[in-house]
Amino acid sequence: GDSVTQMEGPVTLSEEAFLTINCTYTATGYPSLFWYVQYPGEGLQLLLKATKADDKGSNKGFEATYRKETTSFHLEKGSVQVSDSAVYFCALIIKIQGAQKLVFGQGTRLTINP
Amino acid sequence: NAGVTQTPKFQVLKTGQSMTLQCAQDMNHNSMYWYRQDPGMGLRLIYYSASEGTTDKGEVPNGYNVSRLNKREFSLRLESAAPSQTSVYFCASSLRHGTGADGYTFGSGTRLTVV
Repeated sequence: GDSVTQMEGPVTLSEEAFLTINCTYTATGYPSLFWYVQYPGEGLQLLLKATKADDKGSNKGFEATYRKETTSFHLEKGSVQVSDSAVYFCALIIKIQGAQKLVFGQGTRLTINP
Repeated sequence: NAGVTQTPKFQVLKTGQSMTLQCAQDMNHNSMYWYRQDPGMGLRLIYYSASEGTTDKGEVPNGYNVSRLNKREFSLRLESAAPSQTSVYFCASSLRHGTGADGYTFGSGTRLTVV
């Protein structure tokens, strides 16, 4: 079935470090891919998205590239800040006969220390 | 600010009590969703409404009912709460269901405890 697998957390980094959170997917057809972020006590916010192969989504210094050949959508940021501490969810949407299904990964908790 | 508004933010129920979670969006989105978030389980879809006047079951519908009151509002009802329904509930909306390309906008959640 359709699924999303994220690297297990928690991940702890120092401020200004390089961040990679791995995400791979399994899907029938050609999904759209998303990264969501959840700050403490808040709902999920859309961080970035890519709707077709080789597309790069970017926002707030974060980037992810839709890699069809490796079925991956890894999240990267060159220099993280304390304010980036949150839980990050990789997700896909697959179309099914006029409807759609949103599938989330388990989430990766990121903590940035000053 | 435009977005998805959920009420209440916190609720404690006794087993067997009923309650309705309210959700409203002001983005003129057509589609609305209810999810629950449990530790180690991620987010799971309870019910959704692809457009005004329609509702469909998601992954975990048992014990819940929904009403799409109008284009803006989508409520979730627990008729007889059980401890297994202790969770954080999120409402979400998207512009169009079925295109696969539109991101979802989420509310800030309702933390429900059933004792």
